[in-house]
Amino acid sequence: QKEVEQDPGPLSVPEGAIVSLNCTYSNSAFQYFMWYRQYSRKGPELLMYTYSSGNKEDGRFTAQVDKSSKYISLFIRDSQPSDSATYLCAMMRDTGRRALTFGSGTRLQVQP
Amino acid sequence: EPEVTQTPSHQVTQMGQEVILRCVPISNHLYFYWYRQILGQKVEFLVSFYNNEISEKSEIFDDQFSVERPDGSNFTLKIRSTKLEDSAMYFCASSATPDTEAFFGQGTRLTVV
Repeated sequence: QKEVEQDPGPLSVPEGAIVSLNCTYSNSAFQYFMWYRQYSRKGPELLMYTYSSGNKEDGRFTAQVDKSSKYISLFIRDSQPSDSATYLCAMMRDTGRRALTFGSGTRLQVQP
Repeated sequence: EPEVTQTPSHQVTQMGQEVILRCVPISNHLYFYWYRQILGQKVEFLVSFYNNEISEKSEIFDDQFSVERPDGSNFTLKIRSTKLEDSAMYFCASSATPDTEAFFGQGTRLTVV
């Protein structure tokens, strides 16, 4: 079983739709969770950073963490064509190996 | 807004040659990282660096790789004898503490021919 699983997509939605992106993980040592956006051939750009279970909102983005189910989500409201990119979830342990473990990324396309 | 900068943006090198990839982390950050992304694959951790020494490294980071902070601002990744399979995007990242978010540079695309 992979440590972090993420549906690669592609996910195609019309402009204005609510987008839901998800990752599951197997290692309960992961305690810090991040979502990055990556445009083609560019570096990952941090969108959200969360530690505790629950929701965190920032503008049109909401990150949700459910540690009991080992499941994290990113919701994008009122999606725009400029949101078209690959979305990467990333996780980090709180002790020992602190390197980020990434999901494979979900490619999102928002149609105008 | 502070950012991590990487140079060059694209490097082409012949197999067996040494390459040095350069990064300038965010100025008040103390933890530095290198990741790589082979085309079409996930981002993979290579090495983390703090207080002038390697904190941790992955199995990818073998004896062909080394990192250095030669001065107060630069952070470099050296590949001693490049192989075809080293072709990838290499990302530098930095964070203020090990518990806070890591910010990534735009990457250096390394092509080994």
